[in-house]
Formats: sequence, structure tokens, C-alpha cells
Amino acid sequence: GAGVSQSPRYKVAKRGQDVALRCDPISGHVSLFWYQQALGQGPEFLTYFQNEAQLDKSGLPSDRFFAERPEGSVSTLKIQRTQQEDSAVYLCASSLRDKDMNSPLHFGNGTRLTVT
Amino acid sequence: AQSVAQPEDQVNVAEGNPLTVKCTYSVSGNPYLFWYVQYPNRGLQFLLKYITGDNLVKGSYGFEAEFNKSQTSFHLKKPSALVSDSALYFCAVRKNTGGFKTIFGAGTRLFVKA
Repeated sequence: GAGVSQSPRYKVAKRGQDVALRCDPISGHVSLFWYQQALGQGPEFLTYFQNEAQLDKSGLPSDRFFAERPEGSVSTLKIQRTQQEDSAVYLCASSLRDKDMNSPLHFGNGTRLTVT
Repeated sequence: AQSVAQPEDQVNVAEGNPLTVKCTYSVSGNPYLFWYVQYPNRGLQFLLKYITGDNLVKGSYGFEAEFNKSQTSFHLKKPSALVSDSALYFCAVRKNTGGFKTIFGAGTRLFVKA
């Protein structure tokens, strides 16, 4: 079946521009996650949704970062007034929500954001 | 707070030899532990997980991992490495209560030489 789909694959933005990154999770996956992966680093947690509810946004680095999932399916990560330090790969992952919370994450291929 | 340490940036091994990629973790309570692999220009792929029970967990592509509670470790192993195993490997931890937040280590690059 279809995996997690992210678009665009690459995004170049001038410093100060706003960007919007899209994630289509696997159908039926209740949980959705956003991670930021800088070059040579591991994924850093940004935020987590269960259906349309944003249950944890403790990893968002500043109030310039905003994520939404209004209908509990597609999610958008928005970055306002981009800065050079925002340059990274943004990974989206989805997961089944099971009562034992041990389902693995299914990742998309990411969006590589370069801020010039 | 949860954290994961992967002490080796890179592991080099000859094809056919056994490999080990190390991981230690810190979490309050009991953990769920995961290994993921990342190939160039691809997203992370799930390899295996530890939930409870048997300390030796078997996963995809012949990989296995050994959970050691006293050493808070979850090392990834494979008895005989393949060149195609060359990739970036990430260890991850999640608390088994209180949420789905998963924390990743910085990654270990595995090079398998023919």
C-alpha cells in the first residue's frame, strides 16, 4: 500500500519567507509526527498529533513553527519568517494508535528545506 | 527525560563478519526500544523493536538486538554483514506510559567492506 507521502521533496526559501510543508500519512494511521533532521544528526522531535488533536508540541523550536492537522489526516508544518538555522530535512511519520503504544513509526522521505 | 546515546559515529566491518552497533538509553520507567535504518535520500525504515519479554529481539534483514536492562543498552547485531547493510542506523526510545513521543539517537554510520 501507499506509504507516507511528503511534498515538496525540496524547498528553497529566501530568509524571511514563509514555507508550508505537507504530509499525507498512511491511511488509517491515527498518530502523526513531525521531526527535524539536521545534516549528520538524528531526527529531533517537533510535534505529535492524535487524529486532529495536537497532543505534544514541546519540540517546536520557536513560535515561528506551527503545525496543523484539521481533519485528522493530512498535516501541514508551517514555518514563518524562515531563518538559515531552519535549513534541515523535515520528516513526517505516522503510526497506528494501539493501546500499548509500541507501534513503530512509518516515515516519509522528507522535505529538504534550504534557507538562503 | 528520555535520551539515547550512540557512542560510535561510524562502524567499519568486513563482509561476512559479525557486526554490532551500540546504543544506550535513559528513560524513567520501562522503555520501548526501536532500531531504524536510513538509506541515502530515503526516509527511516523500521528494523525491530523491544517491548517486553525475551531480551534478544529478531527483526528484518537478519538483524537482531539484545536488550540489557542493567546496562540500559540495546545493541544492534548481525551475525554476518553484507555490503548492502551499509547505511545509517538510529536507535530510538519511547516511554511505555504517558505518550507516544519517540526520541532518536544521533545515528551510527555502518560501512561494510567487500
